[in-house]
Amino acid sequence: DTAVSQTPKYLVTQMGNDKSIKCEQNLGHDTMYWYKQDSKKFLKIMFSYNNKELIINETVPNRFSPKSPDKAHLNLHINSLELGDSAVYFCASSWTVNTEAFFGQGTRLTVV
Amino acid sequence: QKEVEQNSGPLSVPEGAIASLNCTYSDRGSQSFFWYRQYSGKSPELIMSIYSNGDKEDGRFTAQLNKASQYVSLLIRDSQPSDSATYLCAVKGANSKLTFGKGITLSVRP
Repeated sequence: DTAVSQTPKYLVTQMGNDKSIKCEQNLGHDTMYWYKQDSKKFLKIMFSYNNKELIINETVPNRFSPKSPDKAHLNLHINSLELGDSAVYFCASSWTVNTEAFFGQGTRLTVV
Repeated sequence: QKEVEQNSGPLSVPEGAIASLNCTYSDRGSQSFFWYRQYSGKSPELIMSIYSNGDKEDGRFTAQLNKASQYVSLLIRDSQPSDSATYLCAVKGANSKLTFGKGITLSVRP
Protein backbone atom coordinates (compact mmCIF):
# COMPACT_ATOMS: atom_id res chain seq x y z
CA ASP A 1 0.00 0.00 0.00
CA THR A 2 1.26 3.45 -0.92
CA ALA A 3 1.69 5.58 2.21
CA VAL A 4 1.38 9.02 0.59
CA SER A 5 -0.28 8.99 -2.79
CA GLN A 6 -0.82 11.81 -5.23
CA THR A 7 -2.94 11.99 -8.33
CA PRO A 8 -2.33 12.57 -11.11
CA LYS A 9 1.34 11.69 -11.60
CA TYR A 10 1.57 13.78 -14.76
CA LEU A 11 -0.49 16.79 -15.72
CA VAL A 12 -0.13 18.71 -18.98
CA THR A 13 -2.42 21.69 -19.41
CA GLN A 14 -2.73 25.00 -21.19
CA MET A 15 -2.10 28.42 -19.73
CA GLY A 16 -5.14 29.91 -18.06
CA ASN A 17 -6.69 26.58 -17.09
CA ASP A 18 -7.64 25.56 -13.55
CA LYS A 19 -6.39 22.23 -12.22
CA SER A 20 -6.30 20.22 -8.99
CA ILE A 21 -3.84 17.76 -7.52
CA LYS A 22 -5.05 15.34 -4.88
CA CYS A 23 -3.08 13.86 -2.01
CA GLU A 24 -3.98 11.16 0.47
CA GLN A 25 -1.99 9.55 3.27
CA ASN A 26 -2.90 6.34 5.06
CA LEU A 27 -0.26 6.67 7.79
CA GLY A 28 -2.47 8.35 10.37
CA HIS A 29 -0.26 11.44 10.35
CA ASP A 30 -1.46 14.77 11.71
CA THR A 31 0.58 17.06 9.47
CA MET A 32 0.57 17.38 5.70
CA TYR A 33 2.55 19.57 3.29
CA TRP A 34 2.78 20.77 -0.28
CA TYR A 35 6.22 21.40 -1.76
CA LYS A 36 7.23 22.70 -5.17
CA GLN A 37 10.44 21.49 -6.83
CA ASP A 38 11.56 23.67 -9.70
CA SER A 39 13.81 22.87 -12.65
CA LYS A 40 16.89 23.55 -10.50
CA LYS A 41 15.66 20.85 -8.11
CA PHE A 42 15.15 23.27 -5.20
CA LEU A 43 12.43 21.96 -2.89
CA LYS A 44 10.38 24.85 -1.51
CA ILE A 45 7.56 24.61 0.98
CA MET A 46 4.22 26.06 -0.07
CA PHE A 47 1.73 25.06 2.62
CA SER A 48 1.52 23.00 5.77
CA TYR A 49 -1.59 21.76 7.58
CA ASN A 50 -1.83 20.29 11.03
CA ASN A 51 -5.07 18.51 11.96
CA LYS A 52 -6.80 20.17 8.99
CA GLU A 53 -5.68 23.64 10.02
CA LEU A 54 -3.35 25.77 7.91
CA ILE A 55 -0.16 26.48 9.87
CA ILE A 56 2.30 27.51 7.19
CA ASN A 57 1.46 29.58 4.14
CA GLU A 58 4.56 30.72 2.29
CA THR A 59 4.58 33.57 -0.19
CA VAL A 60 2.60 31.68 -2.78
CA PRO A 61 0.33 33.43 -5.33
CA ASN A 62 -3.36 33.50 -4.39
CA ARG A 63 -4.00 31.34 -7.44
CA PHE A 64 -2.87 28.40 -5.31
CA SER A 65 -5.44 27.24 -2.79
CA PRO A 66 -4.98 24.20 -0.57
CA LYS A 67 -7.92 22.35 0.95
CA SER A 68 -7.86 19.74 3.70
CA PRO A 69 -11.26 18.05 4.03
CA ASP A 70 -9.87 15.74 6.71
CA LYS A 71 -6.51 14.80 8.27
CA ALA A 72 -5.78 12.21 5.60
CA HIS A 73 -6.28 14.46 2.59
CA LEU A 74 -4.67 17.66 1.34
CA ASN A 75 -5.59 18.84 -2.13
CA LEU A 76 -4.07 21.68 -4.14
CA HIS A 77 -6.13 23.72 -6.54
CA ILE A 78 -4.43 26.07 -8.99
CA ASN A 79 -6.33 28.76 -10.89
CA SER A 80 -5.28 30.52 -14.09
CA LEU A 81 -2.18 28.40 -14.63
CA GLU A 82 0.96 30.16 -15.86
CA LEU A 83 4.08 28.86 -17.61
CA GLY A 84 6.08 29.47 -14.42
CA ASP A 85 3.89 27.03 -12.52
CA SER A 86 5.54 24.17 -14.39
CA ALA A 87 7.33 22.08 -11.77
CA VAL A 88 7.05 18.90 -9.75
CA TYR A 89 4.67 19.24 -6.82
CA PHE A 90 5.21 16.95 -3.85
CA CYS A 91 2.79 16.16 -1.09
CA ALA A 92 4.23 14.94 2.21
CA SER A 93 3.03 14.02 5.68
CA SER A 94 4.48 13.60 9.17
CA TRP A 95 3.30 12.38 12.57
CA THR A 96 3.61 15.81 14.11
CA VAL A 97 4.88 19.24 13.10
CA ASN A 98 8.35 18.34 14.40
CA THR A 99 8.95 14.87 12.99
CA GLU A 100 10.26 13.63 9.68
CA ALA A 101 8.16 14.02 6.56
CA PHE A 102 7.37 11.26 4.09
CA PHE A 103 6.83 12.21 0.48
CA GLY A 104 4.43 11.15 -2.22
CA GLN A 105 5.69 10.26 -5.68
CA GLY A 106 5.17 13.78 -7.01
CA THR A 107 3.02 15.34 -9.72
CA ARG A 108 4.86 16.72 -12.73
CA LEU A 109 2.87 19.72 -13.94
CA THR A 110 3.64 21.10 -17.37
CA VAL A 111 1.90 24.27 -18.50
CA VAL A 112 2.03 24.91 -22.24
CA GLN B 1 21.72 34.45 4.74
CA LYS B 2 20.01 31.38 3.34
CA GLU B 3 18.08 29.36 5.89
CA VAL B 4 19.71 26.02 5.05
CA GLU B 5 22.96 25.93 3.10
CA GLN B 6 24.75 22.99 1.55
CA ASN B 7 28.01 22.78 -0.39
CA SER B 8 27.22 23.41 -4.05
CA GLY B 9 28.87 20.24 -5.34
CA PRO B 10 28.86 18.04 -7.26
CA LEU B 11 30.84 15.63 -5.14
CA SER B 12 32.62 12.68 -6.70
CA VAL B 13 34.20 9.87 -4.66
CA PRO B 14 35.60 6.46 -5.60
CA GLU B 15 33.76 3.32 -4.61
CA GLY B 16 34.59 2.29 -1.05
CA ALA B 17 35.53 5.82 0.05
CA ILE B 18 33.85 7.98 2.67
CA ALA B 19 31.56 10.72 1.36
CA SER B 20 31.16 13.73 3.62
CA LEU B 21 28.16 16.02 3.14
CA ASN B 22 27.79 19.24 5.10
CA CYS B 23 24.95 21.59 5.95
CA THR B 24 24.58 24.78 7.99
CA TYR B 25 21.38 26.45 9.14
CA SER B 26 20.45 29.90 10.36
CA ASP B 27 17.57 29.35 12.81
CA ARG B 28 19.07 28.77 16.28
CA GLY B 29 15.69 27.54 17.53
CA SER B 30 15.72 24.55 15.16
CA GLN B 31 15.17 21.22 16.88
CA SER B 32 14.86 18.58 14.17
CA PHE B 33 17.31 17.77 11.40
CA PHE B 34 17.00 15.36 8.50
CA TRP B 35 18.90 14.00 5.54
CA TYR B 36 17.00 12.91 2.45
CA ARG B 37 18.21 11.16 -0.68
CA GLN B 38 16.61 11.84 -4.04
CA TYR B 39 17.28 9.81 -7.14
CA SER B 40 16.63 11.48 -10.47
CA GLY B 41 12.91 11.53 -11.25
CA LYS B 42 11.97 10.17 -7.84
CA SER B 43 10.69 11.63 -4.59
CA PRO B 44 12.88 12.49 -1.58
CA GLU B 45 13.48 9.52 0.68
CA LEU B 46 14.37 9.91 4.36
CA ILE B 47 17.78 8.52 5.28
CA MET B 48 18.45 9.90 8.74
CA SER B 49 16.86 12.08 11.39
CA ILE B 50 18.78 13.59 14.29
CA TYR B 51 17.48 15.67 17.17
CA SER B 52 20.32 16.03 19.69
CA ASN B 53 23.98 16.97 19.54
CA GLY B 54 26.44 14.26 18.67
CA ASP B 55 26.57 11.36 16.25
CA LYS B 56 23.85 8.99 15.13
CA GLU B 57 24.80 5.89 13.17
CA ASP B 58 22.60 3.72 10.97
CA GLY B 59 24.46 1.15 8.92
CA ARG B 60 26.87 2.93 6.59
CA PHE B 61 25.38 6.33 7.41
CA THR B 62 26.36 8.63 10.28
CA ALA B 63 24.67 11.94 10.96
CA GLN B 64 26.46 14.50 13.10
CA LEU B 65 24.81 17.49 14.76
CA ASN B 66 26.43 20.50 16.43
CA LYS B 67 23.76 22.99 17.49
CA ALA B 68 26.28 25.49 18.85
CA SER B 69 27.89 25.72 15.42
CA GLN B 70 24.53 25.30 13.62
CA TYR B 71 26.01 22.50 11.60
CA VAL B 72 24.78 19.07 10.56
CA SER B 73 26.63 16.56 8.43
CA LEU B 74 26.18 13.16 6.85
CA LEU B 75 28.98 10.64 6.40
CA ILE B 76 28.54 7.73 4.03
CA ARG B 77 31.09 4.97 4.63
CA ASP B 78 32.08 2.39 2.01
CA SER B 79 30.32 4.41 -0.69
CA GLN B 80 28.61 2.37 -3.40
CA PRO B 81 27.60 3.37 -6.94
CA SER B 82 24.00 2.95 -5.77
CA ASP B 83 24.59 5.87 -3.37
CA SER B 84 24.88 8.20 -6.38
CA ALA B 85 22.00 10.64 -5.92
CA THR B 86 21.17 14.13 -4.68
CA TYR B 87 21.32 14.52 -0.91
CA LEU B 88 19.08 17.08 0.73
CA CYS B 89 19.56 18.53 4.18
CA ALA B 90 16.30 19.57 5.87
CA VAL B 91 15.76 21.51 9.09
CA LYS B 92 12.61 22.03 11.15
CA GLY B 93 12.76 25.60 12.40
CA ALA B 94 11.23 27.02 15.56
CA ASN B 95 8.14 27.89 13.50
CA SER B 96 7.75 24.19 12.51
CA LYS B 97 8.61 24.96 8.91
CA LEU B 98 10.59 22.14 7.24
CA THR B 99 13.16 23.91 5.07
CA PHE B 100 15.41 22.15 2.59
CA GLY B 101 18.85 23.03 1.34
CA LYS B 102 19.50 23.08 -2.39
CA GLY B 103 21.01 19.62 -2.26
CA ILE B 104 24.34 18.21 -3.35
CA THR B 105 24.78 15.65 -6.09
CA LEU B 106 26.99 12.74 -5.12
CA SER B 107 28.60 10.54 -7.74
CA VAL B 108 30.34 7.32 -6.66
CA ARG B 109 32.83 6.11 -9.28
CA PRO B 110 33.13 2.30 -9.65
